[in-house]
Amino acid sequence: GDSVTQMEGPVTLSEEAFLTINCTYTATGYPSLFWYVQYPGEGLQLLLKATKADDKGSNKGFEATYRKETTSFHLEKGSVQVSDSAVYFCALSGGSGGYQKVTFGTGTKLQVIP
Amino acid sequence: EAGVTQFPSHSVIEKGQTVTLRCDPISGHDNLYWYRRVMGKEIKFLLHFVKESKQDESGMPNNRFLAERTGGTYSTLKVQPAELEDSGVYFCASSRTSGSNEQFFGPGTRLTVL
Repeated sequence: GDSVTQMEGPVTLSEEAFLTINCTYTATGYPSLFWYVQYPGEGLQLLLKATKADDKGSNKGFEATYRKETTSFHLEKGSVQVSDSAVYFCALSGGSGGYQKVTFGTGTKLQVIP
Repeated sequence: EAGVTQFPSHSVIEKGQTVTLRCDPISGHDNLYWYRRVMGKEIKFLLHFVKESKQDESGMPNNRFLAERTGGTYSTLKVQPAELEDSGVYFCASSRTSGSNEQFFGPGTRLTVL
């Protein structure tokens, strides 16, 4: 079945540091890839997505590129802020589970300190 | 528009008791999903409704879990009797039938079984 593997957290960074959260996936077919974010006390929000190979999703300074050759979708941001502190989930849909079922990774907690 | 809402936000019950979680999807969204995150692990799909019909319940862990969506609006997820391993955060999501398949998530219900 489909699976998503992302780096263990927590990740602690100083403000303005560069962020990378690694994500790799296993899926049949051509899945869509997502990054969701959960800020403290809030629900999951879609941060960005990419629907085909070599697509780059971007939002709020975050970027991730769909790399089919390495089955990866790493999340990056050039300069993090305290307000980016949250839990980040890599996810996919459209593999063997179909487009109505989202498969998530375990989540990576990011803490940004001033 | 109002987002997906879930009630209660937290529930603490004893093993063997019954708990009912409620989800109100975004108005007009025919698709409703339940997911669960157990003990910092990945968020796992439980089931999917299209209006009042169960489209996919392959992720339901066992027959102690019963989901309903009478009238195709809000949904309830009942756990009876609850066991310790049922503790976790239960997320609900909804999406439109046409157009983008983006799922909009609620804030989750944190269930603790003692």
